[in-house]
Amino acid sequence: DTEVTQTPKHLVMGMTNKKSLKCEQHMGHRAMYWYKQKAKKPPELMFVYSYEKLSINESVPSRFSPECPNSSLLNLHLHALQPEDSALYLCASSQEGGVGGFTGELFFGEGSRLTVL
Amino acid sequence: SQQGEEDPQALSIQEGENATMNCSYKTSINNLQWYRQNSGRGLVHLILIRSNEREKHSGRLRVTLDTSKKSSSLLITASRAADTASYFCATDAQDSSYKLIFGSGTRLLVRP
Repeated sequence: DTEVTQTPKHLVMGMTNKKSLKCEQHMGHRAMYWYKQKAKKPPELMFVYSYEKLSINESVPSRFSPECPNSSLLNLHLHALQPEDSALYLCASSQEGGVGGFTGELFFGEGSRLTVL
Repeated sequence: SQQGEEDPQALSIQEGENATMNCSYKTSINNLQWYRQNSGRGLVHLILIRSNEREKHSGRLRVTLDTSKKSSSLLITASRAADTASYFCATDAQDSSYKLIFGSGTRLLVRP
């Protein structure tokens, strides 16, 4: 099984709502990532978890709150978002190993398309 | 922050022709990767080239890396309409191997 599964595929929320994006992988990968992608732009790194601990936060606003409940799951909790947060949110995972951690390719999910009204 | 710049931004070719995309980056790297993204979908890994390698092949793909110029190129030979997608290079900085940063991307259109 080489899949990263993201739910929901589409989400529409108001600025006062609280919602969550979910990501799951069963490849035994110990690094998991959240990227944000606006139309016709490259993915921008938001967060990295390594062995279920947050290792990188790219100065993301606190209205985005990541959570890694276990090695297979990654959540992104959303609260009080702004319309400019509308984007495709991509989850990815990678195999851990060796000194320096990251060893190679990222496996991406299909993304959750978020619209903030 | 964006590590890589790609050119061209957009490329339109006829089926059967070769497509070449270039990527330049700013800092020293451990490796450089190329990914493909169909419109509105997730990214798919194509190929990884390590900093001590100069050229790598995978099927119809050929990647070169010139660390002295901090640049890479992706060549797709005998293109097909199904190759139509956006292509991104991605680099991990030597000081942070988890931090995979994507270039600006090239949108490739292969006309049947």
